[in-house]
Amino acid sequence: AQTVTQSQPEMSVQEAETVTLSCTYDTSESDYYLFWYKQPPSRQMILVIRQEAYKQQNATENRFSVNFQKAAKSFSLKISDSQLGDAAMYFCAYKRSGNTPLVFGKGTRLSVIA
Amino acid sequence: GAVVSQHPSWVICKSGTSVKIECRSLDFQATTMFWYRQFPKQSLMLMATSNEGSKATYEQGVEKDKFLINHASLTLSTLTVTSAHPEDSSFYICSAREGQGLKAFFGQGTRLTVV
Repeated sequence: AQTVTQSQPEMSVQEAETVTLSCTYDTSESDYYLFWYKQPPSRQMILVIRQEAYKQQNATENRFSVNFQKAAKSFSLKISDSQLGDAAMYFCAYKRSGNTPLVFGKGTRLSVIA
Repeated sequence: GAVVSQHPSWVICKSGTSVKIECRSLDFQATTMFWYRQFPKQSLMLMATSNEGSKATYEQGVEKDKFLINHASLTLSTLTVTSAHPEDSSFYICSAREGQGLKAFFGQGTRLTVV
């Protein structure tokens, strides 16, 4: 079974600074997808960024970028120029190919300090 | 973007009663629906997967007779918690996908409190 591990239950960052959230996963599949979701206090799940395993290039979305290390099965999220609105729970998620569900890590609570 | 509407957003019910949670896809056909449960300060745990017109597939440890899932149309899936007990109190989230698409769209979640 696939597992997703987020080893940082909580992180904090100063406003305008950069923070990196860690995620590792375990799978025997070669074709899969990785995601970072944000869950603010409203509890609405928001997709932050997605990475296809077959792509070597790291995904970026504005201030959000990932460091995808396939051999190491590592998928970290870097948030640059952190803003107060970035404060939330962040979940790393894995999905193998096909019509399959997302498997979530336990989450990292990010606090942004003004 | 695609919208999934989940209703109600919160509900309080008495122990022993049943509660129905609805999840509607507003602008796409939700061929597959996933139901998750999230305990306080914990991750989302998959309860079941349902494909339109088919019986739901439940994850190990999830009682199918207690958590009834119906996915009779391409725009509506329901989760009914039958004979609810306080330990069923949790946050329930639906997620819908169209076809083999990669994107999963989430509802706003339902906070269930059983007293």
